[in-house]
Amino acid sequence: AQSVTQLGSHVSVSEGALVLLRCNYSSSVPPYLFWYVQYPNQGLQLLLKYTSAATLVKGINGFEAEFKKSETSFHLTKPSAHMSDAAEYFCAVSSGNTGKLIFGQGTTLQVKP
Amino acid sequence: GAGVSQSPSNKVTEKGKDVELRCDPISGHTALYWYRQSLGQGLEFLIYFQGNSAPDKSGLPSDRFSAERTGGSVSTLTIQRTQQEDSAVYLCASTEPADTQYFGPGTRLTVL
Repeated sequence: AQSVTQLGSHVSVSEGALVLLRCNYSSSVPPYLFWYVQYPNQGLQLLLKYTSAATLVKGINGFEAEFKKSETSFHLTKPSAHMSDAAEYFCAVSSGNTGKLIFGQGTTLQVKP
Repeated sequence: GAGVSQSPSNKVTEKGKDVELRCDPISGHTALYWYRQSLGQGLEFLIYFQGNSAPDKSGLPSDRFSAERTGGSVSTLTIQRTQQEDSAVYLCASTEPADTQYFGPGTRLTVL
């Protein structure tokens, strides 16, 4: 069975600081991995996805993530946090032939001025 | 173009009542998913449609939950005899097979 673990339910950074949100996955097959962002009272928006091409994936809003098979990780980073980055972030793995998403528990990012 | 839409955006109901939640996917998307987001359980898969058939219903939590999709487009999620633990945000997503899932804004269900 596939699963996703996000380390840290809350992360707080200062504006301009590095953002690092951690995600580890478990999968018996080469995974498709995703990061989604959710702003208050909105649906989920795709930030980026890994589908077995380049291991360093660049997404929207300056975010990127690196797939590391040896560490079963797919951590999300952004060099410089902006106030508008404050939101909840979800890591997910695509499961089986149906493509259904298995989500981590989410990480709330707080950005302090 | 238009994204995934869901209605109603908010629904308050009394325990024991039935509710219907609607999802309008992106035009042309053949795959449709329902998920539930709750404080205690996070984001959970409920059901997957390919066209009008549902080959994966494994996430439906009980037989009070059912869903259908007609004309390969609109989908309705029905919850019968609602319970307080059904309170959650219900999210719908659509996609072409093996492509990115696009999510709607969700329906917030509150069962009193």
